Amino acid sequence: QKEVEQNSGPLSVPEGAIASLNCTYSDRGSQSFFWYRQYSGKSPELIMSIYSNGDKEDGRFTAQLNKASQYVSLLIRDSQPSDSATYLCAVKDDYKLSFGAGTTVTVRA
Amino acid sequence: NAGVTQTPKFQVLKTGQSMTLQCAQDMNHNSMYWYRQDPGMGLRLIYYSASEGTTDKGEVPNGYNVSRLNKREFSLRLESAAPSQTSVYFCASILDPNSPLHFGNGTRLTVT
Repeated sequence: QKEVEQNSGPLSVPEGAIASLNCTYSDRGSQSFFWYRQYSGKSPELIMSIYSNGDKEDGRFTAQLNKASQYVSLLIRDSQPSDSATYLCAVKDDYKLSFGAGTTVTVRA
Repeated sequence: NAGVTQTPKFQVLKTGQSMTLQCAQDMNHNSMYWYRQDPGMGLRLIYYSASEGTTDKGEVPNGYNVSRLNKREFSLRLESAAPSQTSVYFCASILDPNSPLHFGNGTRLTVT
């Protein structure tokens, strides 16, 4: 079983809608959780990090973490065409950072 | 402010050839990583170096070797390239275990 699983997508949402991305992980000892955005042909860039249970908001992005359920999610509110990208969930255990396969989001105008 | 610099950006090899991918960071980060990215597979960890002088295998180390030359530089070597190693390779670094990764711009490698 892959360590980090994401909803496979692709996900298509209308402009202005909420995009919801989900991620589960297998290692209960994981302590740090990240969401990266990757545009086609570019390197991943960090958009959110979360370390404790609950919600963390940054602008139009909200990350949610539930360690008991081994679940982390990302909500993108008021989706814009510039949000069209692949979103990667990453889970850190000590020095090793494991990534999910990514969910491709397309925001249609 | 260069961050993480990878060279080369593109490379084409024939099966059996060898090459070294170079990575350098100027952020005084302690840990460095090599990932490969294939379509539908996400990023898979090849090797990492938690600190200068140490290296450890990741998820897919076979066919690769690494050298942490100093705190700034972490190279990835393919001794005998195979078509299965066609991929995009990313180098990354972090300051400490709770920090996020900073990525280089990637090397697109094709093995024919």
